[in-house]
Amino acid sequence: DVKVTQSSRYLVKRTGEKVFLECVQDMDHENMFWYRQDPGLGLRLIYFSYDVKMKEKGDIPEGYSVSREKKERFSLILESASTNQTSMYLCASTPGTGRNSPLHFGNGTRLTVT
Amino acid sequence: AQTVTQSQPEMSVQEAETVTLSCTYDTSESDYYLFWYKQPPSRQMILVIRQEAYKQQNATENRFSVNFQKAAKSFSLKISDSQLGDAAMYFCAHNFNKFYFGSGTKLNVKP
Repeated sequence: DVKVTQSSRYLVKRTGEKVFLECVQDMDHENMFWYRQDPGLGLRLIYFSYDVKMKEKGDIPEGYSVSREKKERFSLILESASTNQTSMYLCASTPGTGRNSPLHFGNGTRLTVT
Repeated sequence: AQTVTQSQPEMSVQEAETVTLSCTYDTSESDYYLFWYKQPPSRQMILVIRQEAYKQQNATENRFSVNFQKAAKSFSLKISDSQLGDAAMYFCAHNFNKFYFGSGTKLNVKP
């Protein structure tokens, strides 16, 4: 089974802090994604990556950046955390570009910015 | 624009009964996939079922089946013989080049 691991289950940070959310997958998947989940809004795509050192903006990239230095690791960075970034963050991966490939998700990181 | 709409924020079903969760989507594409994901309180998103737009036959996975109406752009999920473990958030998703998710339906299962 594919395992997608997010390093933190819960995080509490202060406004203005730089925050790193880490995600590692163990199945050599090409594609990795970061989503934000908010009640009533579903999952919204922040950033994604189809290859090492490659990144693409999703639908809500403002206030975020990403890093993919190794194939298995995809990091989400909040350059200066703000209270409106309090949310659940989900990392996911897929093996290729086939549209039938489902997303494999991590367990999520619930981030609170105070 | 690709959008996915789940019009039922919350639903309840009695254990052993059948429930249907609604999903509609909007796309101008003809070749795409549709998915239902389950998110229990543990937060782990789990794939429930998927459907290819080109296939007429509705997908089935054990107690879970879909009613796919391509012309109406409708993709509902039917859960038969509901179990307490089915209680979760359910998300409908559409994939062409990117995944688009609905806002989710919270399913409660009453013993």
